[in-house]
Amino acid sequence: SQQGEEDPQALSIQEGENATMNCSYKTSINNLQWYRQNSGRGLVHLILIRSNEREKHSGRLRVTLDTSKKSSSLLITASRAADTASYFCATDYGGSQGNLIFGKGTKLSVKP
Amino acid sequence: DGGITQSPKYLFRKEGQNVTLSCEQNLNHDAMYWYRQDPGQGLRLIYYSQIVNDFQKGDIAEGYSVSREKKESFPLTVTSAQKNPTAFYLCASSIIPRQGKYYGYTFGSGTRLTVV
Repeated sequence: SQQGEEDPQALSIQEGENATMNCSYKTSINNLQWYRQNSGRGLVHLILIRSNEREKHSGRLRVTLDTSKKSSSLLITASRAADTASYFCATDYGGSQGNLIFGKGTKLSVKP
Repeated sequence: DGGITQSPKYLFRKEGQNVTLSCEQNLNHDAMYWYRQDPGQGLRLIYYSQIVNDFQKGDIAEGYSVSREKKESFPLTVTSAQKNPTAFYLCASSIIPRQGKYYGYTFGSGTRLTVV
């Protein structure tokens, strides 16, 4: 399977702490994307990082990409209770079977 | 406001019945996708379409059918041949990558299908 894998599967932190989630994948990619899903809702696109980029920022989010290790990380700084959600990485291999392959996600719980 | 609308939010299917899930977008996106999500799992691609009147099977197309008669609409039919249809179904759309430019997907809010 080309599916990316997130690590950890679940993460519980206190408000104000930083949360780091990792994603590993198997073959070369065009880009990698992170999505957020609140319980029972659709996914929301957070950030896209191209294969020739190493780091991107968006507000409290920081994404890194290491193509030599085939891995990415999502850092949420100064977390809030409202950040509680599942976070998915999705890889674009440029193949014909649709474009994005989603991992199983990291379930983040931020306690007030 | 532009977006994707999925309906209904909840759907109950009896054994042997076909049901159709609606997905409409007003984002002028060329590509549309259907994914299935089971508890604690990632998303698995059912079907996708990049142009009107054309669509391709994804990883788990058996027991499902789609049509793309209009750019805005991509309905999914769950047929009686799908033996385990209870799941959360998500529709998405996107701009097709061109000239090295890539785009994220916009998702609907999902339809939860339950077999009764």
